[in-house]
Amino acid sequence: GNSVTQMEGPVTLSEEAFLTINCTYTATGYPSLFWYVQYPGEGLQLLLKATKADDKGSNKGFEATYRKETTSFHLEKGSVQVSDSAVYFCALSDRSGYNKLIFGAGTRLAVHP
Amino acid sequence: NAGVTQTPKFQVLKTGQSMTLQCAQDMNHEYMSWYRQDPGMGLRLIHYSVGAGITDQGEVPNGYNVSRSTTEDFPLRLLSAAPSQTSVYFCASSLRQGSLPTNTGELFFGEGSRLTVL
Repeated sequence: GNSVTQMEGPVTLSEEAFLTINCTYTATGYPSLFWYVQYPGEGLQLLLKATKADDKGSNKGFEATYRKETTSFHLEKGSVQVSDSAVYFCALSDRSGYNKLIFGAGTRLAVHP
Repeated sequence: NAGVTQTPKFQVLKTGQSMTLQCAQDMNHEYMSWYRQDPGMGLRLIHYSVGAGITDQGEVPNGYNVSRSTTEDFPLRLLSAAPSQTSVYFCASSLRQGSLPTNTGELFFGEGSRLTVL
């Protein structure tokens, strides 16, 4: 079946450091890939997405590229801020027509001044 | 803009009690779903619905019932609560993929309902 594997956290960084959160997936066909972010006490919100191989999703300085050859969708940001502290979830959708997403376990990011 | 509204935000139950988590959305989304969030396990799909009158099971449906009598509402029922159902529950909704040119396929989440079963 379809699945998503994320690097375990927590990830602790100093402000302005470079961020990478690894995500790999297993899926039949050609899924859409997503990164969602959950700030403390809130629900999840979409950060970025990619729908086909080699697509790059980007938003708020975060980027991720859909790599079909390595079945990966790693999240990167060149310079993190304290306000980026949150839990990040990688997810895939099986293109059934509805967003029945399968999520990874989540990676907690803590950014210190 | 209300978006997806969940109630209650917090609830404590005793084993064997029943309750209903409410979810309502005002975006005219066809698709609605319930997830539970547990430490180290991410979000797991409980039940989902692709329209009024249509529901189906997700990954972890046991112990939960749902119904979809209107487009707006998608309640989740626990008929006999167990400690294993202690979790944070999220309701989410979206348009059907590709139904509009501007549809990004995004799931919209409520703020969550934290349930503790003693």
